[in-house]
Order: sequence, then C-alpha cells, then structure tokens
Amino acid sequence: DTEVTQTPKHLVMGMTNKKSLKCEQHMGHRAMYWYKQKAKKPPELMFVYSYEKLSINESVPSRFSPECPNSSLLNLHLHALQPEDSALYLCASSQGLPDPAPYEQYFGPGTRLTVT
Amino acid sequence: LAKTTQPISMDSYEGQEVNITCSHNNIATNDYITWYQQFPSQGPRFIIQGYKTKVTNEVASLFIPADRKSSTLSLPRVSLSDTAVYYCLVLFGGGATNKLIFGTGTLLAVQP
Repeated sequence: DTEVTQTPKHLVMGMTNKKSLKCEQHMGHRAMYWYKQKAKKPPELMFVYSYEKLSINESVPSRFSPECPNSSLLNLHLHALQPEDSALYLCASSQGLPDPAPYEQYFGPGTRLTVT
Repeated sequence: LAKTTQPISMDSYEGQEVNITCSHNNIATNDYITWYQQFPSQGPRFIIQGYKTKVTNEVASLFIPADRKSSTLSLPRVSLSDTAVYYCLVLFGGGATNKLIFGTGTLLAVQP
C-alpha cells in the first residue's frame, strides 16, 4: 500500500472556526510533511516530523498547529485563519529524513481549504 | 538565497522527446535534485532523482552538468497522459538544516 490519505477533501471554514486536517499512511514511513500550495504555485514546505517529533518548522504562523500522534498519523490544527490561508494543503511521507539523499516523498491528494 | 527556476510552460507533440530545465545557481556540492509530476487536484508524484552526471530510470533521464547550476529532465516519447506540471525539488544544505525548495514549475502540454 503506497497511499497517503487525507481528510477532508474539501473544507470551508470561517475565520473564527477551529478545524483539523488529517493525514494517514501505512507504509511504515518515519518522516511526514505538511505543504501549502496556492493555485498555479509550487508546494511550500510548512512542517516536517521525524519519528513523531517536529523536525522542521518553516516559520509558519501559530494559527497552524501540527500534531503527530503516532507514526501513521499527522494532523494540522487550524484556528483563526485568514482568507489568504485558502489553499491546497498537501501531506507527504517518506522513509526518513535525507541521509544524505532525500527519500522519495509520497503525497496525498490534498485538502482544498477555503477560509471565508 | 536558495532559489530554483523553470520555464513556465512547454508544448510538445506525442512521440517527441521533451527536455525541461531547472536552474539552481546556489546549489552546493552534495545537494540533490529531484523531479516530481503533478496532475490537477492530485499531489506530486516522484519521477527521478540525482546529484551529478546522469541518472536514468524506466520513465525519464536526469542530466546534471559539471557545474551543477542547472539540471534537465528528459522525457522520451511523450504521450497525452504526460500533460502535467513538472517540478524540480532541490534539497539545499544537507543535514539538520535541509531546505527543500520546489522550483517554479513547468506546465507541459502534449498535443496529438
């Protein structure tokens, strides 16, 4: 099974709402990633977890809060978002962190988020 | 400042070979280059990876010149289903301070 699943596929939320995005993989991967992708732009790395510990935070605003409850799950908690946060949020996993070559990343289909 | 740039778009016809370039002027000796393909409403999918000279797999080749300031993804005999956005991804820095930077992306349109 080389699939990364993400739920929900679409999410519309107001600026005062709290919501969560979920990501799951069963490939035994130990690194998991969150990316943000705006329309017609490349994905931008937000967070990286390695062995369930936050390894990289690319200076993401605190209204985005990642969580890795176990090696198969990755959550992104959203609170007090702004309309400019509307984007496709992609989750990915890989065998591990670069050592030194980066491992192939397996991406989920993404969650299309609209903030109103 | 780490940066990767690509042509915005390319057109091709079925059966032709397509070469897509990625410029990465600030790349270091041990930084790797990876290429991904993305279809609309899907996550990117791995194509190929390397850090010097030439790498080939069953779907593509990756050429990296000696100065490593650019790289070229080569797709042999493209088909309509290869219409997608292609991104290079450069791992700058290595080790604990890795910076993963996607290129600007190239929209490849393959016509019959």
